[in-house]
Amino acid sequence: SQQGEEDPQALSIQEGENATMNCSYKTSINNLQWYRQNSGRGLVHLILIRSNEREKHSGRLRVTLDTSKKSSSLLITASRAADTASYFCATVDTGFQKLVFGTGTRLLVSP
Amino acid sequence: DAGVIQSPRHEVTEMGQEVTLRCKPISGHDYLFWYRQTMMRGLELLIYFNNNVPIDDSGMPEDRFSAKMPNASFSTLKIQPSEPRDSAVYFCASRSGQRHTGELFFGEGSRLTVL
Repeated sequence: SQQGEEDPQALSIQEGENATMNCSYKTSINNLQWYRQNSGRGLVHLILIRSNEREKHSGRLRVTLDTSKKSSSLLITASRAADTASYFCATVDTGFQKLVFGTGTRLLVSP
Repeated sequence: DAGVIQSPRHEVTEMGQEVTLRCKPISGHDYLFWYRQTMMRGLELLIYFNNNVPIDDSGMPEDRFSAKMPNASFSTLKIQPSEPRDSAVYFCASRSGQRHTGELFFGEGSRLTVL
């Protein structure tokens, strides 16, 4: 079963613009993670934010977490054509056992 | 490290045939997960192992699916008999239990087409 719903399902922007993707989830979590998947490839971990954190940065990535609303957002600043991929949020339960993925956002960055 | 290694990368078979997908996790990782990805259902967790022992197989669709992990460096996912609705990309992923974060390392996937 899927924990997260992501919004939008697809996003098309120009290089240099910012891209924002949102994720909502249903149950209590230990942490929330974002992954990237290039076409035909496996998923790659991008960034992790713990349940007691509200914001985290890594390079051009900024993640926020609102546990009261059970939602998270991923912001990619100054996007590049190479950022074209699908992005997934995933939640880890409080037992650190399973990682359950959202539905994903397909990002297209045009040159 | 070579990362998580899956084989085959592509498999085309006919309905009713047996399919075996293979996975070698990252050395030292004690958790192994099998996921299935389709357009309709997204990424579904099928089963996961801890120290070679199946912990949760509630995501396995039906008895036609089985998974084993005979040792720390090898796992298989078997479908017998296969059906067209099993067509999907199957991912294996592993992680270290010592990190306590849940970050997964994925293989490149096995794309299965059942005709």
